[in-house]
Amino acid sequence: DAGVTQTPRHEVAEKGQTIILKCEPVSGHNDLFWYRQTKIQGLELLSYFRSKSLMEDGGAFKDRFKAEMLNSSFSTLKIQPTEPKDSAVYLCASGRGNTEVFFGKGTRLTVV
Amino acid sequence: GDSVTQTEGPVTVSESESLIINCTYSATSIAYPNLFWYVRYPGEGLQLLLKVITAGQKGSSRGFEATYNKETTSFHLQKASVQESDSAVYYCALGAYNAGAKLTFGGGTRLTVRP
Repeated sequence: DAGVTQTPRHEVAEKGQTIILKCEPVSGHNDLFWYRQTKIQGLELLSYFRSKSLMEDGGAFKDRFKAEMLNSSFSTLKIQPTEPKDSAVYLCASGRGNTEVFFGKGTRLTVV
Repeated sequence: GDSVTQTEGPVTVSESESLIINCTYSATSIAYPNLFWYVRYPGEGLQLLLKVITAGQKGSSRGFEATYNKETTSFHLQKASVQESDSAVYYCALGAYNAGAKLTFGGGTRLTVRP
């Protein structure tokens, strides 16, 4: 029974690089969320898709962050260019309506 | 905007002691917020511990309880007797009905239970 799959689990990037994080939601779920988790800010919503349509793109993150969902079973989060302050754990979650939501294990990004 | 404030960690308790992690919320954009506690065990993804969608009701799971108190805008997490396996990071969150994982989270509380 596959949950939400995120790859890679760890990513190290140099400042200025472009990185792409990937997420496969639970099959049949039509809601997909990207969150960023840091010790200081906690969990912050980056993007929210419903049935592949972008519903929210987390205002403060529009600048260098772009989430896409080209099909219902795959989403990407691109950060371009990366900065050291982007170092965080990036979480993907999927759900359907008001049923339980499932989170992936996250991608830990370190920007040096 | 909406916000959630919870006990700042880390919190350390001994096995079999009682636990309370405080959570208060402010829901300015949601008329009838749903309240959640999520937990992240070491090496695992974030997972739902319990949720309550109606004010005045209590949710419970794995020995944990939380009561949705609209008057005090609180949703404190309690357990009468913790176990070492409860060591994890706990997040309080609020969201609108049918908003799925579009949640506003508290900052998380890291709990360590000493054997």
